[in-house]
Amino acid sequence: EPEVTQTPSHQVTQMGQEVILRCVPISNHLYFYWYRQILGQKVEFLVSFYNNEISEKSEIFDDQFSVERPDGSNFTLKIRSTKLEDSAMYFCASSPLQAGENYEQYFGPGTRLTVT
Amino acid sequence: GQSLEQPSEVTAVEGAIVQINCTYQTSGFYGLSWYQQHDGGAPTFLSYNALDGLEETGRFSSFLSRSDSYGYLLLQELQMKDSASYFCAVRDRSISSGNTPLVFGKGTRLSVIA
Repeated sequence: EPEVTQTPSHQVTQMGQEVILRCVPISNHLYFYWYRQILGQKVEFLVSFYNNEISEKSEIFDDQFSVERPDGSNFTLKIRSTKLEDSAMYFCASSPLQAGENYEQYFGPGTRLTVT
Repeated sequence: GQSLEQPSEVTAVEGAIVQINCTYQTSGFYGLSWYQQHDGGAPTFLSYNALDGLEETGRFSSFLSRSDSYGYLLLQELQMKDSASYFCAVRDRSISSGNTPLVFGKGTRLSVIA
């Protein structure tokens, strides 16, 4: 069964450093999302992406964040200058063009980002 | 804005039935979803209700009442592996059209005991 993959599974970085989190969405999906989950808290929407551009973003997604689809398979989230409060699990998700009856989003296993 | 309320924790006995409630407030509404998340894992889709009523998928059922802004997830014949967090989520049409992001509740941690 196709699945969303993410790398790395765990990233440790120092405050102020740039990080790039990588995702490979399901191949025939056209909508992509990034969510984050601070430990013990709810999943929060960051940004959605369609047709090579951002379609929605939340207030969390400030100028320190950017997304890119550099090729036909990868979808990346960049944090330019990490802060301690960026420590969280970051989930990539994708959904097909025709969302179908259930509007299901398929989540990757996540990247745990630890900022020290 | 949108807000979803669900209990923080529920404990139930193996083999029993448990109901996890969710109430929501949104400026627009386009369906209620349920996701399961095991510790350290990714959210996985369980069910979706756009219309009032009960949707059944095996041991899991989900109910929606749009007039009450309320839904619930019903888990039957509980198994130890059902111990996880369960999140309700809405697609809020007021956020955008098209590929609407999900807005999640804070999650209910279900513990199944022997």
